[in-house]
Amino acid sequence: GESVGLHLPTLSVQEGDNSIINCAYSNSASDYFIWYKQESGKGPQFIIDIRSNMDKRQGQRVTVLLNKTVKHLSLQIAATQPGDSAVYFCAERGGTASKLTFGTGTRLQVTL
Amino acid sequence: KAGVTQTPRYLIKTRGQQVTLSCSPISGHRSVSWYQQTPGQGLQFLFEYFSETQRNKGNFPGRFSGRQFSNSRSEMNVSTLELGDSALYLCASSLGGTVGEKLFFGSGTQLSVL
Repeated sequence: GESVGLHLPTLSVQEGDNSIINCAYSNSASDYFIWYKQESGKGPQFIIDIRSNMDKRQGQRVTVLLNKTVKHLSLQIAATQPGDSAVYFCAERGGTASKLTFGTGTRLQVTL
Repeated sequence: KAGVTQTPRYLIKTRGQQVTLSCSPISGHRSVSWYQQTPGQGLQFLFEYFSETQRNKGNFPGRFSGRQFSNSRSEMNVSTLELGDSALYLCASSLGGTVGEKLFFGSGTQLSVL
């Protein structure tokens, strides 16, 4: 079946550096992608989303890049802060009437 | 604006029992989705309701059911609980005009089945 997966289970980044979290997807029909951040004991928190007709979208300190050719999605966090430490999930929607399918998650650890 | 509210926060049940979880969406949101989160399987989609109708369903057995009320509040029920049902159950709401977009999650109900 179709799946969304993350390359790295844990990413360790020094405070102030930029973080890049990657996500591969396999469904070429996916038309919408979204990133979530989940802190311990909390539900996933919306970060940023992007439609398949876009290559890049920027938010506050975050940028999502979408490469449909290689079915790859990435989340860039600028000037990473200790509060960014969490598990990050990408999710895809396999068409306009489909549910969101989540990846396995990447843990981001910010070191001082 | 208040976020998505899930009750109870924690539940402990024994095998064979049934459980009902509640979700109040963000005001104005008409879609409610339910997800099961476990360390081994990650976030798995259960079902989605929009305007009191089930719009999407995941691959869970019939023991898992849900409903949505006219005020958009939703409940999910799990009957004949099994040990493997132990998980964090997350509810997410959205405006609902388009499936799967901008879901906002609650903090979840942690269910432990003994």
